[in-house]
Amino acid sequence: GESVGLHLPTLSVQEGDNSIINCAYSNSASDYFIWYKQESGKGPQFIIDIRSNMDKRQGQRVTVLLNKTVKHLSLQIAATQPGDSAVYFCAEILIGYNAGNMLTFGGGTRLMVKP
Amino acid sequence: GAVVSQHPSWVICKSGTSVKIECRSLDFQATTMFWYRQFPKQSLMLMATSNEGSKATYEQGVEKDKFLINHASLTLSTLTVTSAHPEDSSFYICSARDFAGGRMNEQFFGPGTRLTVL
Repeated sequence: GESVGLHLPTLSVQEGDNSIINCAYSNSASDYFIWYKQESGKGPQFIIDIRSNMDKRQGQRVTVLLNKTVKHLSLQIAATQPGDSAVYFCAEILIGYNAGNMLTFGGGTRLMVKP
Repeated sequence: GAVVSQHPSWVICKSGTSVKIECRSLDFQATTMFWYRQFPKQSLMLMATSNEGSKATYEQGVEKDKFLINHASLTLSTLTVTSAHPEDSSFYICSARDFAGGRMNEQFFGPGTRLTVL
């Protein structure tokens, strides 16, 4: 799969504030979307997912919004904490396209939380 | 559950040598595993898809003779970087998919292996 975006934009927020991280995905036929969190020197960790037939899903302190009209995905983190500092990637999945190449990562965003 | 491990976590080698990286699914069987490469400040790039008992499927631009993949069992896939060169220095991450667990859309990622080729 191809990754979109070869540089990482940075979002800097104050501890306690809400964070909004945005992602533009590439395939309008994608069935499923996932947000991953990647801390320095570690592999991606699953945060939350959303199916293409939904426009919003809430988790613990996180909310994902999906706008299929403009192929846009956002991750909202409420009451951001220092432990939220990481790089966040969105990923899109096309089910049944290819048994192997189902997941495509978007460009990431570095979130920095200031105490 | 759904833990994926990688070994080693980091490796430094001389140019021209080969390096093997292991990816294991610890508590589930993974018929499909994926290998990614990540350069600093960049996103993950899929290198190849590894299916148990069959040949790996490589992404365009990835040399199959240089990056050898073996998925000999349902819990282990290996990536061998042959004749490594400094430009192969990167963070290599594997992931595994748990079909039997009903979570076919979710990939579980390993912690990554940092390869530095001198």
